[in-house]
Amino acid sequence: KAGVTQTPRYLIKTRGQQVTLSCSPISGHRSVSWYQQTPGQGLQFLFEYFSETQRNKGNFPGRFSGRQFSNSRSEMNVSTLELGDSALYLCASSFLRQGDNYGYTFGSGTRLTVV
Amino acid sequence: DQQVKQNSPSLSVQEGRISILNCDYTNSMFDYFLWYKKYPAEGPTFLISISSIKDKNEDGRFTVFLNKSAKHLSLHIVPSQPGDSAVYFCAASTTGNQFYFGTGTSLTVIP
Repeated sequence: KAGVTQTPRYLIKTRGQQVTLSCSPISGHRSVSWYQQTPGQGLQFLFEYFSETQRNKGNFPGRFSGRQFSNSRSEMNVSTLELGDSALYLCASSFLRQGDNYGYTFGSGTRLTVV
Repeated sequence: DQQVKQNSPSLSVQEGRISILNCDYTNSMFDYFLWYKKYPAEGPTFLISISSIKDKNEDGRFTVFLNKSAKHLSLHIVPSQPGDSAVYFCAASTTGNQFYFGTGTSLTVIP
């Protein structure tokens, strides 16, 4: 069974640009979550989508947005990139339903460098 | 505001000995806890979980202990192996829809 696929693996962008990252969850998984990992900060929750609806949102500025398609694939977008947005962006999928407690399966991440 | 804390950024252990990784949390509403292991250039891999109705869960060499009164959980690895060298994250959740992660502990197992 294929895992969580994130593309691209690496990305270099210039300040002020925008970027779109993609995540294909495990087949059958309907919940997709996005996390930002920076050194010393651990994994910070960005948002979670279930059946094309954003159910939860972390404490990030509006420059960070996402969406989920009917096939459960998800994209996240960061506009007006800042140097501090350089991080590893991780996508995780699960077959979570509301109130269920199941662990995630993570993708390998997209390493974004803003110069 | 870091609701889940791993106060030891790194830990070194001799092969064959016990590794104990610790995690503290502040939100008493957390009812589900997980440990993930992460190698460089890879995403975190689920290791073991525990719900708040238990105080211990065991899976092979890995055991997680939960002390709800102290808001503390720990991961024990016995015996430690060089392949266990990685960064370990603890995570906690109230609803299962959003997990709060610690900052990670880098474990080095010395052969």
